[in-house]
Amino acid sequence: GAVVSQHPSWVICKSGTSVKIECRSLDFQATTMFWYRQFPKQSLMLMATSNEGSKATYEQGVEKDKFLINHASLTLSTLTVTSAHPEDSSFYICSAYAPGRGAFFGQGTRLTVV
Amino acid sequence: RKEVEQDPGPFNVPEGATVAFNCTYSNSASQSFFWYRQDCRKEPKLLMSVYSSGNEDGRFTAQLNRASQYISLLIRDSKLSDSATYLCVVNRSANAGGTSYGKLTFGQGTILTVHP
Repeated sequence: GAVVSQHPSWVICKSGTSVKIECRSLDFQATTMFWYRQFPKQSLMLMATSNEGSKATYEQGVEKDKFLINHASLTLSTLTVTSAHPEDSSFYICSAYAPGRGAFFGQGTRLTVV
Repeated sequence: RKEVEQDPGPFNVPEGATVAFNCTYSNSASQSFFWYRQDCRKEPKLLMSVYSSGNEDGRFTAQLNRASQYISLLIRDSKLSDSATYLCVVNRSANAGGTSYGKLTFGQGTILTVHP
């Protein structure tokens, strides 16, 4: 199946710092990638849709200035959590949709802000 | 009302049992449907797509009823390794900035535990 690689798999950072998470599609081009957040015992919640070469589309309630998304190429999208705080601690997962094959997910990034 | 609703369970079944999960969706414009499984602290992985004609993959059978906006997953002869959270996922077209793309919406997941 298609492969989506996400890095890092986990990160611990101090409150107030910024963290960048990368999402790459390894065997297909993805004009659109998605960023989700999952809190413990809850389902995935879509944060934003990343569009190659244009601005990301954010879901209601997600601060675009806090969660910066860049989709500079057809195989790479990045999510930067700016000025992270403990309440931002969560499991962040990216996905890319391969037409005809469904959506494939990165391995996820467990962010802990201390 | 949530766009995709599932019975959260948990379902606790013995090995060898047959278990069925249900899911309903509210947006009639939804175009494609999937079941994903998610193991604890891991990313979701595609289990199978769901088609109106129904489809089967080994011990797993998925059904879609577009008129009722209802999706199901049947697992026969449950194995210990089937223990996971099963996510009902619905895809529909969305548009932003002139770009059309598929937007996935997840149900809250159904927890399955298969015990010896």
